[in-house]
Amino acid sequence: AQKVTQAQTEISVVEKEDVTLDCVYETRDTTYYLFWYKQPPSGELVFLIRRNSFDEQNEISGRYSWNFQKSTSSFNFTITASQVVDSAVYFCALKGTSGSRLTFGEGTQLTVNP
Amino acid sequence: DGGITQSPKYLFRKEGQNVTLSCEQNLNHDAMYWYRQDPGQGLRLIYYSQIVNDFQKGDIAEGYSVSREKKESFPLTVTSAQKNPTAFYLCASSDGTGPWNEQFFGPGTRLTVL
Repeated sequence: AQKVTQAQTEISVVEKEDVTLDCVYETRDTTYYLFWYKQPPSGELVFLIRRNSFDEQNEISGRYSWNFQKSTSSFNFTITASQVVDSAVYFCALKGTSGSRLTFGEGTQLTVNP
Repeated sequence: DGGITQSPKYLFRKEGQNVTLSCEQNLNHDAMYWYRQDPGQGLRLIYYSQIVNDFQKGDIAEGYSVSREKKESFPLTVTSAQKNPTAFYLCASSDGTGPWNEQFFGPGTRLTVL
């Protein structure tokens, strides 16, 4: 069975603060992929990043960065210098090789205040 | 522009009525999915289809039905047997069902049963 836990239900920060969204996962598969999606108020999920289980390099894309640590089964997402437009629900998701289902965490509501 | 369309954005129905939610994609993707999202919760898989004329139950298929007669279309019917149908419904598609395939999402349909 697969499970994704996003322990932070809601986070509120002031613009320009850095913020980290936590994601912890469980899977029995040795090969798996992790994803982050953003859901703005409009509702549509937007794909942000995919990482496979063999690639533990951190990734940076502009103000976004991801820290994948297999030893702690975590795939955390950091937004540097947050902006009001970053306000959204962020979902972490996992897909293993044993099935075709994408397992989502419950999401973290991020609010960035001006 | 390639993408996934869902219509309508908001749908109201009386209790006891069946209702069909539309999902169309022009991405030429083989796989399509239906998810349900309740407030403060993650996405739960209702049904998915890997190829035309084939579909599989997800985690919460009871009270729902689907068809996949065309590659680009995957309508979802919410039947009167679904005990609590009010929710936000998201359709997604992917190029394949491998663990590396990210899913692309439509804008969603918010269904309210009165």
